[in-house]
Amino acid sequence: QKEVEQDPGPLSVPEGAIVSLNCTYSNSAFQYFMWYRQYSRKGPELLMYTYSSGNKEDGRFTAQVDKSSKYISLFIRDSQPSDSATYLCAMSTGNQFYFGTGTSLTVIP
Amino acid sequence: NAGVMQNPRHLVRRRGQEARLRCSPMKGHSHVYWYRQLPEEGLKFMVYLQKENIIDESGMPKERFSAEFPKEGPSILRIQQVVRGDSAAYFCASSPPVATSYNEQFFGPGTRLTVL
Repeated sequence: QKEVEQDPGPLSVPEGAIVSLNCTYSNSAFQYFMWYRQYSRKGPELLMYTYSSGNKEDGRFTAQVDKSSKYISLFIRDSQPSDSATYLCAMSTGNQFYFGTGTSLTVIP
Repeated sequence: NAGVMQNPRHLVRRRGQEARLRCSPMKGHSHVYWYRQLPEEGLKFMVYLQKENIIDESGMPKERFSAEFPKEGPSILRIQQVVRGDSAAYFCASSPPVATSYNEQFFGPGTRLTVL
């Protein structure tokens, strides 16, 4: 069983739609949960970081962590064509990060 | 403040040759991480280094791969006798010397290695 499972998509939505991206994990020791965005041929950049369970909001982005279900989500409101990228979830107990395979998102104008 | 720098951005090697990938962390960062990204497999941790020390190399293949982060100069990921299966994007990340259990990692643009 992989440490982190993520649906690779691809996911295609119209501009303005709400996007929901999800990951599940198996290691109950994970305490830090991250979402990265990666544009084609670029390195990942951190979008959101959450410690333990709960919600965190930053502009159009909301991250949710449910440790009881070992499930994390990223919601994107009012999606824009510039949001088209691959979204990677990542989890950590400290310094070593475990990444999902990434979900490819296309927002159609 | 320049971000994490990696060079070369693209590297082509023939089977059996050596590949040397370089990573210069962000200014003030003393922690470096190397990851490999294969299609459909996501980023896989390889090694975590601080200056002159390998902290965690649990993700490194046992043979042909080595990494260093000298006191001066960039971190180097070295792959000897490359094989086609080594073709991938290799990313370096760096983090500051913050004494907390979570260190945000800032990624470089990656080196795309192609083995012919």
